[in-house]
Formats: sequence, C-alpha cells, structure tokens
Amino acid sequence: EVQLVESGGGLVKPGGSLRLSCAASGFIFSNAWMTWVRQAPGKGLEWVGRIKGKADGGTTDYAAPMKGRFTISRDDSKNMVYLQMNSLKAEDTAVYYCTYYGSGSYFGDYWGQGTLVTVSS
Amino acid sequence: QAVVTQEPSLTVSPGGTVTLTCGSSTGAVTSGHYPYWFQQKPGQAPRTLIYDTNNKHSWTPARFSGSLLGGKAALTLSGAQPEDEADYYCFLTYSAAWAFGGGTKLTVL
Repeated sequence: EVQLVESGGGLVKPGGSLRLSCAASGFIFSNAWMTWVRQAPGKGLEWVGRIKGKADGGTTDYAAPMKGRFTISRDDSKNMVYLQMNSLKAEDTAVYYCTYYGSGSYFGDYWGQGTLVTVSS
Repeated sequence: QAVVTQEPSLTVSPGGTVTLTCGSSTGAVTSGHYPYWFQQKPGQAPRTLIYDTNNKHSWTPARFSGSLLGGKAALTLSGAQPEDEADYYCFLTYSAAWAFGGGTKLTVL
C-alpha cells in the first residue's frame, strides 16, 4: 500500500525558514519523481516543484515564485523527500502536499494528508 | 512560467452535460502536455479523474471523459450527479515547470 506522510509544518515568522519532510512507502522510491504541491486556504492547487528520480538525473525544477527560496532534496536510503523553505512570506501560508509521478503511477495518483504551514508574525 | 486557465465557475443541472476547458498561455494545449484533470471536494486531497488527455483510472466514473477541443484540454461530464459538485483542476506538464489551472468550481443545481 502506498503511503505518503508529510510532517514539519507549523507557525513561522515572515523571513523565517522551515523544512518539510515526506516519508514514502509502498513503491520503488528511487525511481519516482517526487513533487510538492501546495494549497493556500480557500485557494487552488499550486505546483511547487519536483525532484526527478536518480535514473533521470535527480534534477529539480520549481515554480517561478519558489525559485531561489525553496529547495527540494531526497534521501533514497530513507525513502524521504524534503522541502527546504527559506525567506518565507505570508503568501506561502498553505497546506503542503507530497505526491509523485513514476514508479508505476501517474502524477497525483497518491497524495499525503498534507501539512499546514502558517507564515505570520 | 506558463499560466494555465480554467473557467472559475460553472453550473450544470442534474442529469445535464457540461464541458470544462483548460488553456495554456504558451499556445494550444496538445497531447504533449499530458493533460490531467483532478477533482477535489472540501477537506479532501485531490483525486485524479483523467490522465494523458483522455485516460481514466479504475475509480473514474464513466460519465467523465477527457479530450482536446479547440486548442484546449477539455473535461466533459455527461449526466451530472449531485456528488459531482466539487472543484476541478487541470494540470499540464511542460519541459521544466509543471502547472495547475486555477480551478473550476462546479455546481450541480
């Protein structure tokens, strides 16, 4: 059974940093393109960024508003993907979801429960 | 970065048919964007209805179908049910960044 469990959310002040984690199980993690998606309260889904699987180079891509502030990394030995968020702004307040593409699944077949990040003074 | 556009809201009568569309600021949406359609109900994570333009998952009700229409991706709901009232998101893949549309709030009334 596929499981994605996000953690690390919480309250952070503007300009601060936070690292989210996503623990994955139930599929071949090293092949999967792990993706972060966020949803601000009452708003739509927003693609945050993606890290490719090792076989595809493990490279990252980000949505424009996140470039230079957010970094996605992975630890295939632990089946973990991370989202390091720096220089946080109020508009980064959202539920952050982990999902993936590949390893026998299409994008978004499985989602975590999400973790809430609140940026406020 | 490309902007993906959807109708903000649509209303359909029970048993009726409605088509949601998905456009791209870069030009025509093609099968090369591998269009996806997600359904999201309040308090729930999104659920994939359609992938790669017109492919359905085992859990996708038969009344939903995907296509390309006039340079856009389209999701058609034929025979709307009350439980279809939800937010629907289009998703397109580009060479680097991927993107969701702003979502369509579908009301069945």
